[in-house]
Amino acid sequence: TQLLEQSPQFLSIQEGENLTVYCNSSSVFSSLQWYRQEPGEGPVLLVTVVTGGEVKKLKRLTFQFGDARKDSSLHITAAQPGDTGLYLCAGQEAGGANNLFFGTGTRLTVIP
Amino acid sequence: KAGVTQTPRYLIKTRGQQVTLSCSPISGHRSVSWYQQTPGQGLQFLFEYFSETQRNKGNFPGRFSGRQFSNSRSEMNVSTLELGDSALYLCASSLWPGGDQPQHFGDGTRLSIL
Repeated sequence: TQLLEQSPQFLSIQEGENLTVYCNSSSVFSSLQWYRQEPGEGPVLLVTVVTGGEVKKLKRLTFQFGDARKDSSLHITAAQPGDTGLYLCAGQEAGGANNLFFGTGTRLTVIP
Repeated sequence: KAGVTQTPRYLIKTRGQQVTLSCSPISGHRSVSWYQQTPGQGLQFLFEYFSETQRNKGNFPGRFSGRQFSNSRSEMNVSTLELGDSALYLCASSLWPGGDQPQHFGDGTRLSIL
């Protein structure tokens, strides 16, 4: 059983479309991070959210941490081919082990 | 600023052998974590080292071990290799230990077991 479930698992869209990726858990997290990984490379940190209800924007990417700190979403506006990659959420379980748990991942393909 | 360096990038071994992977963290980072990434299980936490001490360990058998040196460089070792150990092994460094710290990843070592 995965601590963090992401949906959808795969997403293929046309350039210019909008999309949302979800990261859900039944556990509470003290913080949550989003990473993007491209083929042949390690994951790269995009953002960290720590407060329930927090919203952070990074250019065309909007990240939200759920009020109860059990879930998060990543919204991409006007997707571009450069957004293609594996998106991973990762969190530290509140009151749990002091290590990072990664989500199952969402593989995004943006078609030109 | 140099990033996290992992060597080797690719490795092919046979069942029963052992392997040692190396990770040099970002200068000034004292915490090093190791992860195993497979298509079926995703990214799984192996262990975390800080000040040459293992602070956390994931749910992996004792065949998986690691260590950290005084310069923060880290190695992980897998003994008696099994086919299921084929994976991308990622190392990440951070200033301090803990799951709330941003992880800076290397590009990994791809291990293939024949």
